[in-house]
Amino acid sequence: KAGVTQTPRYLIKTRGQQVTLSCSPISGHRSVSWYQQTPGQGLQFLFEYFSETQRNKGNFPGRFSGRQFSNSRSEMNVSTLELGDSALYLCASSSSGDFYEQYFGPGTRLTVT
Amino acid sequence: LAKTTQPISMDSYEGQEVNITCSHNNIATNDYITWYQQFPSQGPRFIIQGYKTKVTNEVASLFIPADRKSSTLSLPRVSLSDTAVYYCLVGSSGAGSYQLTFGKGTKLSVIP
Repeated sequence: KAGVTQTPRYLIKTRGQQVTLSCSPISGHRSVSWYQQTPGQGLQFLFEYFSETQRNKGNFPGRFSGRQFSNSRSEMNVSTLELGDSALYLCASSSSGDFYEQYFGPGTRLTVT
Repeated sequence: LAKTTQPISMDSYEGQEVNITCSHNNIATNDYITWYQQFPSQGPRFIIQGYKTKVTNEVASLFIPADRKSSTLSLPRVSLSDTAVYYCLVGSSGAGSYQLTFGKGTKLSVIP
């Protein structure tokens, strides 16, 4: 069974621009979560989608948004990029929405200049 | 929101047993404790999860005391390939109540 895939793997954007990241979960998994990882803050939860609905949300500003499609694929959008948004963005999926056993993708490395 | 505290780093020789402790004083009744392993340039990988007492699988054991204010991940006979960052995660699921707190992670270095 294929693992979680994320595209693109690397991205360079300019401050003020917006970006969209994509995540394809493991087949059959209906829950997709997004995380931001930085050296200073560590691994922080952004939001979780289950059956196309945002079910949970972390403490990030409204510039960070997401959505999930009927095939469970998910996208994350960051608008008006700031230098501090430079990070590794990780996507994780789980089968029934149970976060306890999540499977992470390799991440998208976003650099904002 | 349960906050977790882990040692920043640990060193161990190959073949030894390694115990990494995570403190979570404010753990809630519904919270589970999960540990993940992360190698450079990869996403975290699930290791083990538990609620109380002891859980064991093919790669690790998790010890949780009765008060659940801490937990200890035990890795038996580590090898060089166990060099990684280990994260303690405390939280509960459910719509609207997703409370996830990752620790800062413990960087384990296994020495030959």
